[in-house]
Amino acid sequence: EIVLTQSPGTLSLSPGERATLSCRASQSVSSSYLGWYLQKPGQAPRLLIYGASSRATGIPDRFSGSESGTDFILTISRLQPEDFAVYYCQYYGRSYTFGQGTKLQIK
Amino acid sequence: QVHLVESGGGVVQPGRSLRLSCIASGFTFSDYGMHWVRQAPGKGLEWMAVVSYDGSNTYYSDSVKGRFTISRDNSKTTVYLQLNSLREADTATYYCVRGGGYSFDFWGQGTLVTVSS
Repeated sequence: EIVLTQSPGTLSLSPGERATLSCRASQSVSSSYLGWYLQKPGQAPRLLIYGASSRATGIPDRFSGSESGTDFILTISRLQPEDFAVYYCQYYGRSYTFGQGTKLQIK
Repeated sequence: QVHLVESGGGVVQPGRSLRLSCIASGFTFSDYGMHWVRQAPGKGLEWMAVVSYDGSNTYYSDSVKGRFTISRDNSKTTVYLQLNSLREADTATYYCVRGGGYSFDFWGQGTLVTVSS
């Protein structure tokens, strides 16, 4: 079973800065099956990225996804106040697996 | 636009059952697989189950296989999750989610299930 490990657990940045979040898979995986989600407090998660690098409908272009081997990266180019939340990666293999989440908080 | 509205959550004693419902609107329900994903208080996301677009196939996480049953009624644009033999560890917000390829593209607001004696 594939395990997704997200890092860092918590990331403290200021609005306007660039955020880089990582999601490492325990074995080689296909980028087609990797997604990223954002969850604000008290709200349901929302799909940001699918297929590792494709933005979901309505997602601003400051969000981008990429991969490097077994590492998947979510980059937020210029943080807006509404971007501070928890981010999850997710993979479809034999089953559907989520990473444990990265909390992006205001510094 | 896509709307998913869950209901059926509440407080239930260990060992009892509960049925969650999710009414969908704003899209052709019978074209999509539907999932349930849960989140324990203060914890991360855990996928539970999926039902195919026509209800003919279902798959479950190992943690709930044999206790939970997912089903759908396309005439009512509704997906269900039957929760049996509930445990305190099943306490969570349960989200109804539309399957978008290999991702989850639309989420309901969730319904809270609390298992407590």
